[in-house]
Amino acid sequence: QVHLVESGGGLVEAGESLRLSCAAPGFSFTDYYISWIRQAPGKGLEWISYISSSGSTIYYADAVKGRFTISRDNAKKSVSLQMNSLRADDTAVYYCARVGYSGFDYWGQGTGVTVSS
Amino acid sequence: SYVLTQPPSVSVAPGQTARITCGENNIGGKSVQWYQQKPGQAPVLVIYYDKDRPSGIPERFSGSNSGNTATLTISRVGAGDEADYFCQVWDSNSYHYVFGSGTTVTVL
Repeated sequence: QVHLVESGGGLVEAGESLRLSCAAPGFSFTDYYISWIRQAPGKGLEWISYISSSGSTIYYADAVKGRFTISRDNAKKSVSLQMNSLRADDTAVYYCARVGYSGFDYWGQGTGVTVSS
Repeated sequence: SYVLTQPPSVSVAPGQTARITCGENNIGGKSVQWYQQKPGQAPVLVIYYDKDRPSGIPERFSGSNSGNTATLTISRVGAGDEADYFCQVWDSNSYHYVFGSGTTVTVL
């Protein structure tokens, strides 16, 4: 069964760093791109990054480019999001999702990040 | 980046049909996906490639896409359909994914 589990969220101060992880043990992990999407409190969905199945292709939204880094470890079936220079407007629930059907066919339950200023 | 245009809210009586629009210039030339998100839960894909339903999604959910507007239609609406709905496209110019602003469906 397809299952994605995020971890690593928490409360940090502005300017600090945080590393999120996404474990995805239940499917052929190396066949899929993985993406991170976030949702600020009471707001809509915002795509922030994706990584190809091999890790060779990576894209970021302008809002996080230069501050966030996505990576994957296919042996461990996991994807990470290193978030540096965090700002108050990075406060959100962060979801990892499997890329499929030109969108996202399976999502994790999300992990919360709060950046205090 | 940009956000696709959706109405903030749609209200519908039980058993009736809800229609949620998603607007962008020439969106008909792109593939549109729709997600349902209930409070406190992760989004769930309900329509992909404009009109296809993933396994487990009721036939009451349907989609269309033409010109400048894509539409998600929910027939025979029930209380369980109360949720936020988001459209989404892939922008092949920027290699970015783009979401709509979201629509809250309320069953009266």
